[in-house]
Amino acid sequence: DVVMTQSPLSLPVTLGQPASISCRSSQSLVYSDGNTYLNWFQQRPGQSPRRLIYKVSNRDSGVPDRFSGSGSGTDFTLKITRVEAEDVGVYYCMQATHWPKTFGQGTKVEIK
Amino acid sequence: QVQLQQWGAGLLKPSETLSLTCAVYGGSFSNDYWSWIRQPPGKGLEWIGEINHSGSTNYNPSLKSRVTISIDTSKNQFFLKLSSVTAADSAVYYCARISAGACDWGQGALVTVSS
Repeated sequence: DVVMTQSPLSLPVTLGQPASISCRSSQSLVYSDGNTYLNWFQQRPGQSPRRLIYKVSNRDSGVPDRFSGSGSGTDFTLKITRVEAEDVGVYYCMQATHWPKTFGQGTKVEIK
Repeated sequence: QVQLQQWGAGLLKPSETLSLTCAVYGGSFSNDYWSWIRQPPGKGLEWIGEINHSGSTNYNPSLKSRVTISIDTSKNQFFLKLSSVTAADSAVYYCARISAGACDWGQGALVTVSS
């Protein structure tokens, strides 16, 4: 299985400040069709996960533009330009290039 | 917008079979894959498997011997069965559609396995 490794696992942030989460995969996530199927999800306390980013850098509908994704190959990043109170939760990267699809361990974002 | 609503038995005894249903409202199965994902209490997410509208499935090898995912397109529903459950299968189970163009999740169903 492709192992997805996130860092940090805990991220205390100050409101209005930026935040960044790293995700590294044990194999390249470039698929044979040339696409890279790397997603980012947010899970607020007590809620189902919500996808923020698909194919590395594409924001889902309704996702604020303070969220952005970047990276290639095996190294990916989720950035929040200015953290707001509603951003508290756990963030997961997930690869859908290789079977079985696998998630990172999660990064817990909390307000300092 | 597509909505997923799921239900099933919440308390099982070891060795019983877990059965969950996910109903899709506001859309058809189209060409997407429809998935089951689980999350043990306080832990991360694990992909169980997926099915498309024609019944083609992919299962996580770690669960493959115990999992069956099926679909009823006439009812806009798909199903999860997990046999021979143990306490390690206690989790919130989610149904979901995760594709390049859309991503929708059910509300989650807590399943507890206890004697």
